[in-house]
Amino acid sequence: AQSVTQLGSHVSVSEGALVLLRCNYSSSVPPYLFWYVQYPNQGLQLLLKYTSAATLVKGINGFEAEFKKSETSFHLTKPSAHMSDAAEYFCAVTPNAGGTSYGKLTFGQGTILTVHP
Amino acid sequence: DGGITQSPKYLFRKEGQNVTLSCEQNLNHDAMYWYRQDPGQGLRLIYYSQIVNDFQKGDIAEGYSVSREKKESFPLTVTSAQKNPTAFYLCASKKGDGYTFGSGTRLTVV
Repeated sequence: AQSVTQLGSHVSVSEGALVLLRCNYSSSVPPYLFWYVQYPNQGLQLLLKYTSAATLVKGINGFEAEFKKSETSFHLTKPSAHMSDAAEYFCAVTPNAGGTSYGKLTFGQGTILTVHP
Repeated sequence: DGGITQSPKYLFRKEGQNVTLSCEQNLNHDAMYWYRQDPGQGLRLIYYSQIVNDFQKGDIAEGYSVSREKKESFPLTVTSAQKNPTAFYLCASKKGDGYTFGSGTRLTVV
């Protein structure tokens, strides 16, 4: 079984401030972890993914995330927010090997990021 | 360019009607997925298919049906048995550890 919890359904930051979006996961097997961004009425765009290589993962648009097994976390950060970062962000998990859940992404509830000028 | 095409982008349905949402991919991916998105609930898996002519129920399959007659196509039918079909529906495909999502169909019951 696997699950994802995103702490905070809404996060608000000022332009230029640090962005921190929290994600904790539960997985009975080693996971692959993903962060996606969604703009209104659009599909999901991959920001970054952890696939058991380096624990610090760098993605597009200046985002990065660190896989911490001991904390079962995969928080998303960006040093300086931009107005264009305003969107909804989803954390997702899938097992990295076989089993009944293999290949199926389980998503968190999403975090809406607002960026103030 | 390769990708996933979902159509239509907006769909309106009268109560009691079945409607079919289209999902086509030209990525040569074997696995395809349908997700439903509701505000504050993230994305929930409806059905998935790992290979042609085979598909499995996801977490919220009741009131939905699918087919996978071709590798490229994975249509979703929302039947009259689905009590609350108004939602945003996303199709995805997968190869290896890479997932590609369509741009979604917003279904509204009127």
